[in-house]
Amino acid sequence: QVQLVQSGAEVKKPGASVKVSCKASGYTFSDYYLHWVRQTPGQGLEWMGWITPHSGGTSYSQKFQGRVTMTSDTSISTAYLDLSGLRSDDTGVYFCARGRTDNSFDSWGQGSPVTVSS
Amino acid sequence: QSALTQPPSASGSPGQSVTISCTGASSDVGRYKYVSWYQQHPGKAPKLMIYEVTKRPSGVPDRFSGSKSANTASLTISGLQADDEADYYCSSYAGSDTWVFGGGTKVTVL
Repeated sequence: QVQLVQSGAEVKKPGASVKVSCKASGYTFSDYYLHWVRQTPGQGLEWMGWITPHSGGTSYSQKFQGRVTMTSDTSISTAYLDLSGLRSDDTGVYFCARGRTDNSFDSWGQGSPVTVSS
Repeated sequence: QSALTQPPSASGSPGQSVTISCTGASSDVGRYKYVSWYQQHPGKAPKLMIYEVTKRPSGVPDRFSGSKSANTASLTISGLQADDEADYYCSSYAGSDTWVFGGGTKVTVL
């Protein structure tokens, strides 16, 4: 079955960077977009961007342009989210999700909590 | 990209129906058939419940149904059950390889 397994919780200081990983199994990693979605305390879901592992192509939400980098390593079926210039309002849970051609997200990772605090 | 608008809460008694709205713009919900809905229980990852406005993935009960009119999509849960108590989020493709989510609706089963 399709599984996305993410890296564990991180605690970072303001201004630092964080890198979250998402390892896929149960399907051909290169055949699907991989999206990143975050959920901040008390807030809803927020789409951050996607990567297509086949080519490494990316598309980022304007909100995160300049601070976010999404990469992937097809040899180990793993995608990465790199977020720099962390602020306290970046505290939240970061999810990876597989994207389908019908523009839905059908499988999700378990989430990676990130806390930004001095 | 502005978030889609959902009511913060909705409720119903077991067996009743509840409908959640999701209002966007002519550039997202109104333009594309790519509206999807997600259920999220506390501490869990979201789960896909509806895609392409009205379609259900296999395994999702037919008590869950979706619709759309102009810039507003809706999710209806019929025959409410205790396990339906969760947060529900809508999402829409917004063009130019971007997506947008709603703020979420907490459904309470009374």
